[in-house]
Amino acid sequence: KQEVTQIPAALSVPEGENLVLNCSFTDSAIYNLQWFRQDPGKGLTSLLLIQSSQREQTSGRLNASLDKSSGRSTLYIAASQPGDSATYLCAVRTGANSKLTFGKGITLSVRP
Amino acid sequence: DADVTQTPRNRITKTGKRIMLECSQTKGHDRMYWYRQDPGLGLRLIYYSFDVKDINKGEISDGYSVSRQAQAKFSLSLESAIPNQTALYFCATGQGTDTQYFGPGTRLTVL
Repeated sequence: KQEVTQIPAALSVPEGENLVLNCSFTDSAIYNLQWFRQDPGKGLTSLLLIQSSQREQTSGRLNASLDKSSGRSTLYIAASQPGDSATYLCAVRTGANSKLTFGKGITLSVRP
Repeated sequence: DADVTQTPRNRITKTGKRIMLECSQTKGHDRMYWYRQDPGLGLRLIYYSFDVKDINKGEISDGYSVSRQAQAKFSLSLESAIPNQTALYFCATGQGTDTQYFGPGTRLTVL
């Protein structure tokens, strides 16, 4: 059974800092991995999708990497801003017709 | 207009009542999903549908049922609500294995 872990559960950083959010998964035979953002009381917004054949994806100040062999993904946020404050979740799909398995998320607070 | 809409957005009900949560999408996606989110437990899949005639149980389907009335509509029912079904419920859609798009959520409280 696939398990997805995100540690720490919460993180607080000063504005302008570059930061890395970690995600680990137990079964390295994944189909793809996604990073989502969730604002309090709101739905999830997809940030980046990495296919199993890819090593990284970039969107603006965000860069997500994938290392299947070690069961790890990282989300790099450059020059963090208070507007980046939210919960970030990673989710793994094991097969084409399998469900997404979500981590519990990392709640990020960027201090002005 | 939002691509994925959920109604109602908030609902307070009593134990034993039947509740229906509705989800509509305008993205033309084939796959639709229902999740619940609880503090400390994360997102868990209740039911999912790959097309109108394909309904599948997720990891926590007991106490819930669904109906895929059309490609664009997927409803979740609680036949007899109980307090531990108090949670934030999300509908999501996706095309194949592409990213999923989430609705704004329904906050359900069962007293």
